[in-house]
Amino acid sequence: DSGVTQTPKHLITATGQRVTLRCSPRSGDLSVYWYQQSLDQGLQFLIQYYNGEERAKGNILERFSAQQFPDLHSELNLSSLELGDSALYFCASSVAGDLGNEQFFGPGTRLTVL
Amino acid sequence: AQKITQTQPGMFVQEKEAVTLDCTYDTSDPSYGLFWYKQPSSGEMIFLIYQGSYDQQNATEGRYSLNFQKARKSANLVISASQLGDSAMYFCAMREWGSGGSNYKLTFGKGTLLTVNP
Repeated sequence: DSGVTQTPKHLITATGQRVTLRCSPRSGDLSVYWYQQSLDQGLQFLIQYYNGEERAKGNILERFSAQQFPDLHSELNLSSLELGDSALYFCASSVAGDLGNEQFFGPGTRLTVL
Repeated sequence: AQKITQTQPGMFVQEKEAVTLDCTYDTSDPSYGLFWYKQPSSGEMIFLIYQGSYDQQNATEGRYSLNFQKARKSANLVISASQLGDSAMYFCAMREWGSGGSNYKLTFGKGTLLTVNP
């Protein structure tokens, strides 16, 4: 158990819908990252938050947005869902104090868009 | 250009034997870190081992060791005495210091599926 929690574990929805994925980082970790894992794109970095502020953006679509709240939990919002958004979405956290700090991954949310 | 290249889509190894999973990387940043993660069929990502670009010695963690050859830009994972539970997808990843050092995103390779045969 990494200490990072993600809910829900599975999500099945229809095209055009909007969903929210939730992540709670490990206690003490200030940085939260979101990754998308799909068969064709592999594991891709989406966005990073550090202590409530957006720090870096990767290949995140405009239909997707995220935020980190004062209690450091984070939410990833996916809207106008398409079939291609079906993927495993990981949240990871780290202390973000050192280059060598590993990122601890949550169990992931498997999103299926029908 | 690919930042992380894992050339072996799949590997097979006999139980109790050692196996090397290849990883090459591309960066012009002098400060970077290399990571290996394991993803079993259940889906979670498990951190295995880390090597910093300035580390003089190869990293080791139990049965895992990292064969770091900086000049060749390779960071191969060696698993000794393979066990059936080692069957999983293995990902090599890199973090670059970049500007300011506050962006710690990981860039992943496409992974190698390791199968350990009894």
